[in-house]
Amino acid sequence: KNEVEQSPQNLTAQEGEFITINCSYSVGISALHWLQQHPGGGIVSLFMLSSGKKKHGRLIATINIQEKHSSLHITASHPRDSAVYICAVRITGNQFYFGTGTSLTVIP
Amino acid sequence: EPEVTQTPSHQVTQMGQEVILRCVPISNHLYFYWYRQILGQKVEFLVSFYNNEISEKSEIFDDQFSVERPDGSNFTLKIRSTKLEDSAMYFCASKGEMNTEAFFGQGTRLTVV
Repeated sequence: KNEVEQSPQNLTAQEGEFITINCSYSVGISALHWLQQHPGGGIVSLFMLSSGKKKHGRLIATINIQEKHSSLHITASHPRDSAVYICAVRITGNQFYFGTGTSLTVIP
Repeated sequence: EPEVTQTPSHQVTQMGQEVILRCVPISNHLYFYWYRQILGQKVEFLVSFYNNEISEKSEIFDDQFSVERPDGSNFTLKIRSTKLEDSAMYFCASKGEMNTEAFFGQGTRLTVV
């Protein structure tokens, strides 16, 4: 069974700070997703990665397949970035395993 | 921008009643999923559906659960006889090809009383 670990569980940052959220998993994967869950509960897909690095606006996601580790970075953080960020991995087929999420609060 | 829509946003039901949660995936998508999130816990996979049949299901998805794509647009999750522990947020997701991003609906909050 794959375990997906995220750190930190909770993170408070000042507006403008650079933020890093980490995700580690225990078995080989075919893809990793970073998701954002808003306070109301809705989930938005931010990135899907199978190797390397992706950038979208102020968000950057990296993955190191050999080390079984991924990071999500937010540059110039803003209060509207406050949400729960979830890492999810797909091993084979269609089943995903989710991390417990990192709750981010950005203070003005 | 296309989106996955779920209805209702919140449903309250009595224990033992049947509920049907509805999802309209993005129109040209081929893979469909249901997930749930019990309050304060992580999101859990329930089932995936492709080519009009279940392709994978988790151990949570027991005989009380069923899925259907009755008319080529809706994708439903039925819980036959709800239990208190079925109270959760249920998310539907869809994607077009195997190695593409999944799009999530806003979720249905199910409360069993």
